[in-house]
Amino acid sequence: QSALTQPPSASGSPGQSVTISCTGTTNDIGGYSYVSWYQQHPGKAPKLIIYEVNKRPSGVPDRFSGSKSGITASLTVSGLQSEDEADYYCNSYGGINTLVFGGGTKLTVL
Amino acid sequence: QVQLQESGPGLVKPSDTLSLTCTVSGYSISSDYRWGWIRQPPGKGLEWIGSMDDTGSIYYNPSLKSRVTMSADTSKNQFSLRLNSVTAADTATYFCARVRGFCGGGRCYWYYFDSWGQGTLVTVSS
Repeated sequence: QSALTQPPSASGSPGQSVTISCTGTTNDIGGYSYVSWYQQHPGKAPKLIIYEVNKRPSGVPDRFSGSKSGITASLTVSGLQSEDEADYYCNSYGGINTLVFGGGTKLTVL
Repeated sequence: QVQLQESGPGLVKPSDTLSLTCTVSGYSISSDYRWGWIRQPPGKGLEWIGSMDDTGSIYYNPSLKSRVTMSADTSKNQFSLRLNSVTAADTATYFCARVRGFCGGGRCYWYYFDSWGQGTLVTVSS
């Protein structure tokens, strides 16, 4: 069971769109539609923003969207706002009763 | 709404056992959700430790399985984590969380964590 692969950093200016990738294998992302994304501000607990690839919990702005193609999942943040600056983590069912996280991506709003 | 709160010692000596409890309010842990633990070393990413379903079946990260024990006390609406033979590498913020998933036939499909505790920092040091 290896961690999912995310870019360590991403950035964009206010109002722009940014996409963060999350690459796994056929045993996790590629095999199931159980990909979720979490936003974490410094010193805070992670917050669920996307589940089951592309669903948003109540209260999460529609600026956040998710998708998946093959073994890679993606999180897109549209209309970047300063409060979107945070760490973002992907997560997937890893097969055989396990879960696996990505290494995290630090999103900077320029 | 559900709330989770971790509690336990903030400092543990090397080779000792780390013990944490998660107290859940606003929801019964005996209901149809599942529960789990996640940790985050300082400045690093998240690592799944393990999850339990409502039948008492527990599933662990294979990399930690030999040292981890999870349990639940439904009378107190709490669940617990024990990690033995700790080293400095176990220094981390430990989160408890509610997890959505489907379990059946001896297998669980974990979907996502929808509610988290605030986390508690545990330092392993002599």
